[in-house]
Amino acid sequence: QVQLQESGPGLVKPSQTLSLTCTVSGGSISSGGYYWSWIRQHPGKGLEWIGYIYYSGSTYYNPSLKSRVTISVDTSKNQFSLKLSSVTAADTAVYYCARVYPNPYYYGSGYFDYWGQGTLVTVSS
Amino acid sequence: DIQMTQSPSTLSASVGDRVTITCRASQSISSWLAWYQQKPGKAPKLLIYKASSLESGVPSRFSGSGSGTEFTLTISSLQPDDFATYYCQQYNSYSFTFGPGTKVDIK
Repeated sequence: QVQLQESGPGLVKPSQTLSLTCTVSGGSISSGGYYWSWIRQHPGKGLEWIGYIYYSGSTYYNPSLKSRVTISVDTSKNQFSLKLSSVTAADTAVYYCARVYPNPYYYGSGYFDYWGQGTLVTVSS
Repeated sequence: DIQMTQSPSTLSASVGDRVTITCRASQSISSWLAWYQQKPGKAPKLLIYKASSLESGVPSRFSGSGSGTEFTLTISSLQPDDFATYYCQQYNSYSFTFGPGTKVDIK
């Protein structure tokens, strides 16, 4: 059973960089076959996809966040990470990491079959 | 970009009711649609993928149908554990788009 666990600071100051790590257990990122993704949910709102990474390091980001997002992977630790720069209060949200089961016909998309529990990040001075 | 809508936004129902939620895509997505259930304070849980395929371990009272631009999630007999918010998500294009959600609450 694949499990994902987010970790990182729960409070970030405006203009700083939000950094989160997702640790995967029960499956190896380096075995390939899946994308590894970040999704966020503003308080009381819907779900927003942030981006994903493949074990090889290839990434794809939501165009609306692309200029501020970096996702990286450390296969030796079976972890992947999110950095979101220049944060504002609008970035306050619960951040989830998730595994993407790829669409077999359309490279670059898929559905989320395993999720972390989520971590609330508040942007405030 | 493909946009997703859901109706209704809120649905009040009783235990035992048959419940149907509709999800519409702004353009055809074939059958590349997933449904998730989310309870307060919890991560979303995958229920259905490829429009009608039931995820392992999900009760058979959940079913999905549709293709193209219109899809439905049906709960055949609503159980107390089913009061939650439901989201659809398209995965046809080189992106991931969720619907705004449908909250199912107790009548």
